[in-house]
Amino acid sequence: DIQMTQSPSSLSASVGDRVTITCRASQGIRNDLGWYQQKPGKAPKRLIYAVSSLQSGVPSRFSGSGSGTEFTLTISSLQPEDFATYYCLQYNSYPLTFGGGTKVEIK
Amino acid sequence: EVQLLESGGDLVQPGGSLRLSCAASGFTFSRFPLSWVRQAPGKGLEWVSAISNNGRSTYYADSVKGRFTMSRDDSKNTVFLQMNGLRAEDTAAYYCATGAMSTAGFDSWGQGTLVTVSS
Repeated sequence: DIQMTQSPSSLSASVGDRVTITCRASQGIRNDLGWYQQKPGKAPKRLIYAVSSLQSGVPSRFSGSGSGTEFTLTISSLQPEDFATYYCLQYNSYPLTFGGGTKVEIK
Repeated sequence: EVQLLESGGDLVQPGGSLRLSCAASGFTFSRFPLSWVRQAPGKGLEWVSAISNNGRSTYYADSVKGRFTMSRDDSKNTVFLQMNGLRAEDTAAYYCATGAMSTAGFDSWGQGTLVTVSS
């Protein structure tokens, strides 16, 4: 099984800050990596798929990069509505696996 | 607009069974694979199972293999998760989602249904 190690597990940031979240895969997953945002009490929402493709309707301040085993989600200028928990997902092979999550909190 | 509506969550005793349903609308159901993803209280997301668009292939997490069975009824635009031999660690919100490995993950999600396994 492919393990996804996500870091940090939490971070505090201010509105306008640049935020970076990292996921490392235990083996190469090509570009089969997506990012999800979840707010309390709500279902997750896909932000990015195929490492860097932005889901329709997602603001351009979200971007993804990486290849092979190391991937990054960047929020260029954090907005109040971005405070949430973020998860990476590998869909290269079954079982599909999520990272442990990163909770982005207000500083 | 894609809509997924889960139902069937309940309080059940350890060793018991439960059947979850997910009714879909707003897209051509028979063309898409679907998945179940769960989230234990205060914990992260865990993929549980997936079914191919034609229903011939199913996939399961090791934690539920042999106990859970996923199926679909394209005539009713509904997908099911039969859960047997339930354990306390199966307590979670269960989400239905469109997509699986072949569709770059999960596009749309339902609101979730809560399963509690406790005596």
